[in-house]
Amino acid sequence: DGGITQSPKYLFRKEGQNVTLSCEQNLNHDAMYWYRQDPGQGLRLIYYSQIVNDFQKGDIAEGYSVSREKKESFPLTVTSAQKNPTAFYLCASRESAENYGYTFGSGTRLTVV
Amino acid sequence: GQSLEQPSEVTAVEGAIVQINCTYQTSGFYGLSWYQQHDGGAPTFLSYNALDGLEETGRFSSFLSRSDSYGYLLLQELQMKDSASYFCADMDSNYQLIWGAGTKLIIKP
Repeated sequence: DGGITQSPKYLFRKEGQNVTLSCEQNLNHDAMYWYRQDPGQGLRLIYYSQIVNDFQKGDIAEGYSVSREKKESFPLTVTSAQKNPTAFYLCASRESAENYGYTFGSGTRLTVV
Repeated sequence: GQSLEQPSEVTAVEGAIVQINCTYQTSGFYGLSWYQQHDGGAPTFLSYNALDGLEETGRFSSFLSRSDSYGYLLLQELQMKDSASYFCADMDSNYQLIWGAGTKLIIKP
């Protein structure tokens, strides 16, 4: 079955550590996105990529980094520069500009301990 | 800037009809999307309105009025499984989504 796989589902990070969240899709979608969701709020865009080897900052990119070396993969690194990283992180993809629906992964819940 | 406003919470009775409103202020508007998200889960796409009018998909319908910068999601024959948060999102000129804060729908038996 086609879809988006995010791992891990739960992640605990110590202060000062970098952690990487995985996002893999087998939908052959061109565009991929990382969102952050805090309790009771909507989704905020961290980074997005419309083609391989290219990505753009979203609204809250500070303290995060991404790469898009393969069409299927769009990992997100939460660096120690992100002062408040505890949140629910969602990866999404979209087939093309003409396709309005986004497909989401099941999310990674990151907690700083 | 862009912003979307929707009620934080709506309560309805099982079997009834409920409407979730969304008003928007955007500098470039291409269409209004609706997503459903159950607690702890991923958002799932429900509908997209690019033109004025009503789009119907089963028990769910979505409406858009560009002149009023307003849209709504209508859920009919409510079922307990419809308890979730519902988000409206604006599609901008780069096909990126700007999200509302979400409406939590509480359904009572």
